[in-house]
Amino acid sequence: AQKVTQAQTEISVVEKEDVTLDCVYETRDTTYYLFWYKQPPSGELVFLIRRNSFDEQNEISGRYSWNFQKSTSSFNFTITASQVVDSAVYFCALSEAGTGTASKLTFGTGTRLQVTL
Amino acid sequence: KAGVTQTPRYLIKTRGQQVTLSCSPISGHRSVSWYQQTPGQGLQFLFEYFSETQRNKGNFPGRFSGRQFSNSRSEMNVSTLELGDSALYLCASTPSGSYNEQFFGPGTRLTVL
Repeated sequence: AQKVTQAQTEISVVEKEDVTLDCVYETRDTTYYLFWYKQPPSGELVFLIRRNSFDEQNEISGRYSWNFQKSTSSFNFTITASQVVDSAVYFCALSEAGTGTASKLTFGTGTRLQVTL
Repeated sequence: KAGVTQTPRYLIKTRGQQVTLSCSPISGHRSVSWYQQTPGQGLQFLFEYFSETQRNKGNFPGRFSGRQFSNSRSEMNVSTLELGDSALYLCASTPSGSYNEQFFGPGTRLTVL
């Protein structure tokens, strides 16, 4: 069965610090997708990135970057020069091709990021 | 383009009652998924509907059901409410569900007293 582990429950940083959120996944499928979502206090989940299992290239989008390593089953997320607006709960999620549809996301427990001035 | 909308945003019910939640996906999206979010269990997949058919189902009791209409709008129903059903219910839509990112609505917060 698939599983996503986010060992960091809560992280507090001072603005402008870099921070990395860890995500480790388990799956028996060879074809799967990994996602990161942000949940601000308003509650709505905001999509950040999707990565398929055949694409291990790291990705950078502004201050955000993602490191996907199949060898360690990890998909870590780094925020560079954090800002107060980055404060939110971040979820890593997994979708397997074997479920018949990618819409069944298995989420980690989330990491609450608090950025202070 | 309007986002995913969910109604109502807040709901208070008592044990034993039933409740119906509504979700309108982004225009053109045909797949609608539902998730339950609680402090104890986190985010859990309930079910997914595509073209008015349930395409996938999570591990929830039969008290949880849903349907999808021809315009892709979806409803979920919970019968015989229990205290443990108190949660944020999130709806998400995708164009076809084929490994695309899901766009989530703001959720319906259900409180069962």
